[in-house]
Amino acid sequence: GQNIDQPTEMTATEGAIVQINCTYQTSGFNGLFWYQQHAGEAPTFLSYNVLDGLEEKGRFSSFLSRSKGYSYLLLKELQMKDSASYLCAGLDSNYQLIWGAGTKLIIKP
Amino acid sequence: GAVVSQHPSWVICKSGTSVKIECRSLDFQATTMFWYRQFPKQSLMLMATSNEGSKATYEQGVEKDKFLINHASLTLSTLTVTSAHPEDSSFYICSARTGGENSPLHFGNGTRLTVT
Repeated sequence: GQNIDQPTEMTATEGAIVQINCTYQTSGFNGLFWYQQHAGEAPTFLSYNVLDGLEEKGRFSSFLSRSKGYSYLLLKELQMKDSASYLCAGLDSNYQLIWGAGTKLIIKP
Repeated sequence: GAVVSQHPSWVICKSGTSVKIECRSLDFQATTMFWYRQFPKQSLMLMATSNEGSKATYEQGVEKDKFLINHASLTLSTLTVTSAHPEDSSFYICSARTGGENSPLHFGNGTRLTVT
């Protein structure tokens, strides 16, 4: 079956760095997405990886290893507004999105 | 950037009534829109794929006669929850892509439905 695993909750300190991991099992693979979702709001797109390696976009970076079925989202210089859920989603061979349950990130002062 | 507008943002209705949710692509044409449902502290669940000018494709377990989808134009899809019950209370979100099948989804702001 297809599956996305990510931690349920993480806590980090303002100004620090946090890495949110995601492992995936999909039928075929056409890329992996990360979305940010604040409480009560819809998700917003953060990143897309389809090739191995690190993609950097400001304070946020996303990494992919296709051989390991693994990705992570790295958030630097954490700000209080980064408190949100982070959703990992894999795109399978039929271009269907397989969603993880999301990681709730709590930022403490 | 691409904008998807969803209305209403929240709605409270009585059990047995129907509720219509609209999803519009404001600055692009969307031949396909996706309707999701999200229960508290759970992941997004795809309900159906809305196709302009044709019938929607429903995911397994989603009642097509209960969740009516109409995609009459390239910029508007509607979801009607018919004969709503308290268990239908959820966060409904529509989305669309502006590019190919591996392009990111752009989401509407979601509709919080509460059925009393």
